[in-house]
Amino acid sequence: QKEVEQNSGPLSVPEGAIASLNCTYSDRGSQSFFWYRQYSGKSPELIMFIYSNGDKEDGRFTAQLNKASQYVSLLIRDSQPSDSATYLCAVKGGNNRLAFGKGNQVVVIP
Amino acid sequence: EPEVTQTPSHQVTQMGQEVILRCVPISNHLYFYWYRQILGQKVEFLVSFYNNEISEKSEIFDDQFSVERPDGSNFTLKIRSTKLEDSAMYFCASREGLRETQYFGPGTRLLVL
Repeated sequence: QKEVEQNSGPLSVPEGAIASLNCTYSDRGSQSFFWYRQYSGKSPELIMFIYSNGDKEDGRFTAQLNKASQYVSLLIRDSQPSDSATYLCAVKGGNNRLAFGKGNQVVVIP
Repeated sequence: EPEVTQTPSHQVTQMGQEVILRCVPISNHLYFYWYRQILGQKVEFLVSFYNNEISEKSEIFDDQFSVERPDGSNFTLKIRSTKLEDSAMYFCASREGLRETQYFGPGTRLLVL
């Protein structure tokens, strides 16, 4: 069983719309969850992290965590062309190593 | 704003050669990590390092790999005898002691021919 799964294919959204990304994880004991953005050929850049069940908002981004269902999601409101990137879900494991999903590509269409 | 730096940005080497990838973590950070990303695949954990010791390593991090903090600023990853399948982007990351967020360097793209 994969540790972190991001199964959706590329997501195309019109500029100004909401992009919704989902991630599931296998370790029920996981406590910390991260969303990174990665532009092609670049390194992961932290968008936000979440530890507690519920929603966490930071600007146009909202992370949602449901530990009972073992999923974490990311909403991008008012999507901009600059949001076009691959979004990586990461879960903290032992010794703080991060387990990453394979990522979801988002394309914002002007 | 402080950031993690990595050198070189690109390295091309012949199979069987040794390579050393260098990283300068953020100055007040205490925990250091190496990850790699093969083209088109997910980011994979290699090793974590704290207090001059390896804290954890993945199954990828075999005897061909080693890490070192030779001085107060650099953190290096050595691959003793490179293989074709070592071709990947290698990312260094660092973390402050009290916080969980890891900050990634720009990466070194390694190509083994």
